[in-house]
Amino acid sequence: EAGVAQSPRYKIIEKRQSVAFWCNPISGHATLYWYQQILGQGPKLLIQFQNNGVVDDSQLPKDRFSAERLKGVDSTLKIQPAKLEDSAVYLCASSSLAGVNEQFFGPGTRLTVL
Amino acid sequence: GDSVTQMEGPVTLSEEAFLTINCTYTATGYPSLFWYVQYPGEGLQLLLKATKADDKGSNKGFEATYRKETTSFHLEKGSVQVSDSAVYFCALSENSSASKIIFGSGTRLSIRP
Repeated sequence: EAGVAQSPRYKIIEKRQSVAFWCNPISGHATLYWYQQILGQGPKLLIQFQNNGVVDDSQLPKDRFSAERLKGVDSTLKIQPAKLEDSAVYLCASSSLAGVNEQFFGPGTRLTVL
Repeated sequence: GDSVTQMEGPVTLSEEAFLTINCTYTATGYPSLFWYVQYPGEGLQLLLKATKADDKGSNKGFEATYRKETTSFHLEKGSVQVSDSAVYFCALSENSSASKIIFGSGTRLSIRP
């Protein structure tokens, strides 16, 4: 089966610009996650969707970050405006509702803010 | 809140050496425990998991045992290879479907030929 797809793979922008990342989860997976992984750290959850509803966005900086999953399939994460400290890899993951949570990760988008 | 603490790296070993990467956790309930691996240039992959106390997860020669009494899930391998060079993340998730994963900070492992 196809894995989690993300695009773009790399993005370089200047501070105060806007950027958007796209994720397409594994077919049939109801739950979708966006993580931020800063260099040298473990991934940190930004937002979790179940179908098209938000389950957890407690660590999402809502003044600049937004995410949507309108049809309960693919998702977009946006940063507007970007800051230097947003430089990180943005990971998308998905899981099914059945059984113990096992998340499948996409390759990530590496964002550099100059 | 729940958290994971793992051995800081980097760890450098010679090929065929024995590997241990320590991991301890704090959780209010009875979480599932995971080791994820990130090979150079690749995404995170699940290496192994254990869902309850005394379970042993194993894969590709790696093992980890869920120790509730010491709240630990140490990763071990008897004989490492150069291809095991990667970053290893210990993680936990509460035992309900679609729960978020809390990751440790990662341990970079380098194996010398």
